[in-house]
Amino acid sequence: EAGVAQSPRYKIIEKRQSVAFWCNPISGHATLYWYQQILGQGPKLLIQFQNNGVVDDSQLPKDRFSAERLKGVDSTLKIQPAKLEDSAVYLCASSYTRDREAFFGQGTRLTVV
Amino acid sequence: EDQVTQSPEALRLQEGESSSLNCSYTVSGLRGLFWYRQDPGKGPEFLFTLYSAGEEKEKERLKATLTKKESFLHITAPKPEDSATYLCAVLAGGGADGLTFGKGTHLIIQP
Repeated sequence: EAGVAQSPRYKIIEKRQSVAFWCNPISGHATLYWYQQILGQGPKLLIQFQNNGVVDDSQLPKDRFSAERLKGVDSTLKIQPAKLEDSAVYLCASSYTRDREAFFGQGTRLTVV
Repeated sequence: EDQVTQSPEALRLQEGESSSLNCSYTVSGLRGLFWYRQDPGKGPEFLFTLYSAGEEKEKERLKATLTKKESFLHITAPKPEDSATYLCAVLAGGGADGLTFGKGTHLIIQP
């Protein structure tokens, strides 16, 4: 079974620039998550989708972050404009249902300079 | 607010030296407790799910247990390849969906 795919693996941008991350979840998984992991910390939930609808985006900085999940499959997370404190690893995960274990992708390491 | 605290932050063991990692939690209704392993530069890898107090799960040298306030990950006769950061996460009944993670325990097994 193919895992969660993410791209790019690494990205370096200057502050105030924009960036987008892409995620393809495991086939058949209805729930998709985006997490932010700062070095030395556990992942923090940014947004959760159930099919193509948003379930929870309470911790998403909506003035600069946006996310969408078209047709209930692939998802993109965008940051515009980026700040230095956005430097982190952005992890995408998916699960069969909201109560089941989530499987994570390799993540995208973002460095904002 | 849901909280997950893991201890110790870091642990160094000799190969074959058994030990336990702790995860204490405060949640409004536990729907599930999850253990993950994370290697440097990779995403978390799922290990176990525990749903109710008294439940135990085993996989190779790892055994996870759950009480009403905490979970333990027991590592028996570890090998160097068990070196990783072990993350604990909870899924709560009230409020937001999604996992709330602890900061993890960085485990090093020396040959």
